Amino acid sequence: EVQLVETGGGLIQPGGSLRLSCAVSGFTVSTNYMSWVRQAPGKGLEWVSIIFSGGNTYYADSVKGRFTISRDNSKNTLYLEMNSLRAEDTAVYYCARFSPDISFDYWGQGTLVTVSS
Amino acid sequence: DIQMTQSPSSLSASVGDRVTIACRASHIITKFLNWYQQKPGKAPKLLIYGASSLQSGVPSRFSGSGSGTDFTLTISSLQPEDFATYYCQQSYSTPYTFGQGTKLEIK
Repeated sequence: EVQLVETGGGLIQPGGSLRLSCAVSGFTVSTNYMSWVRQAPGKGLEWVSIIFSGGNTYYADSVKGRFTISRDNSKNTLYLEMNSLRAEDTAVYYCARFSPDISFDYWGQGTLVTVSS
Repeated sequence: DIQMTQSPSSLSASVGDRVTIACRASHIITKFLNWYQQKPGKAPKLLIYGASSLQSGVPSRFSGSGSGTDFTLTISSLQPEDFATYYCQQSYSTPYTFGQGTKLEIK
């Protein structure tokens, strides 16, 4: 059975840093494309970042230079390192697999990040 | 960036109705268009990929069509569990943008 479990969310002050984790079971992170998608409270979905199996990474302009996506193959885990956090980064962050059919087919349950003083 | 625009933003319908949601891309995306369903407090669920392919396990009352810039999601006969928010998303190029969502409510 495929499972994606995000952890690491919480309340953080503006300008602070946080690292989200996404532990995956049921498939291998390193041979798949993995992504982060976020959803601000009461708002729509926003794609954040992707890491391809070869290691190439891409980011939304809104987080470029502040967020870093990475993976630990030995732990089969995806990460999102978030620095210089702003109030507008407040959202539920989902990790998702970007399937060979070029769609987000498996999703985690999400972890809430709240940026506030 | 490719902008995705859904219409309508909200929709009221009854059980048994046929419903269509439209999605338009600001640039040609061929068939790189996916549809998701999201219920409150839950992660999105993939319904349709590649504009018209039904994801495994999704009921056949859901269907997708279109190519280029204009796409539609159709629910042939609404069931109570279909009342949710629906999003289109393009996978043609990064950033992989989503539409703003269509909230389907019970009339």
